[in-house]
Amino acid sequence: DTAVSQTPKYLVTQMGNDKSIKCEQNLGHDTMYWYKQDSKKFLKIMFSYNNKELIINETVPNRFSPKSPDKAHLNLHINSLELGDSAVYFCASSQANGVTDTQYFGPGTRLTVL
Amino acid sequence: GQNIDQPTEMTATEGAIVQINCTYQTSGFNGLFWYQQHAGEAPTFLSYNVLDGLEEKGRFSSFLSRSKGYSYLLLKELQMKDSASYLCAPPLGGSYIPTFGRGTSLIVHP
Repeated sequence: DTAVSQTPKYLVTQMGNDKSIKCEQNLGHDTMYWYKQDSKKFLKIMFSYNNKELIINETVPNRFSPKSPDKAHLNLHINSLELGDSAVYFCASSQANGVTDTQYFGPGTRLTVL
Repeated sequence: GQNIDQPTEMTATEGAIVQINCTYQTSGFNGLFWYQQHAGEAPTFLSYNVLDGLEEKGRFSSFLSRSKGYSYLLLKELQMKDSASYLCAPPLGGSYIPTFGRGTSLIVHP
């Protein structure tokens, strides 16, 4: 009964390739997110979707394209991978209740671009 | 931006008390989160302060002063398993979505 799951856990690929990371949550939350954590451990929000609609898009290259087929899934597709894309990518979900927006994180996907 | 300032690293002894301070600047303030992240794992929620004052939850307490842009996380009776990064996270301006700095790496030694 995993709450937020991501696949794959590890991804090693060559520069220039296109790859996707999948995320699913079974918490019934309306909002899902993608975060990137670089080698300096800085955890930065990339995207946020609420009920399949994009609500936050921080300064992210357009090589990154999120896709939400339904509110339980938010996938991340990355085109033309670059060395600087190497990082851990975390998916998260939350249910805003007007007071707080506690995030539940997936286990992360460690992407290494060679 | 959020301009979050926390110490990069702290060390403490098992059984002791440690206080991790955080100062921040944000607009449209809606509370402040603390998350814990063990090495190689995902962040997990610790606390959320929406009002000024101290919130206690077992061995962990979190304090907030909105006027001073200041918060701290207090960990009592430290255990080895408390070795982790602690992330102070004020919400993204005008929202309830936490935004994170680099966190404080806490090392607990025997």
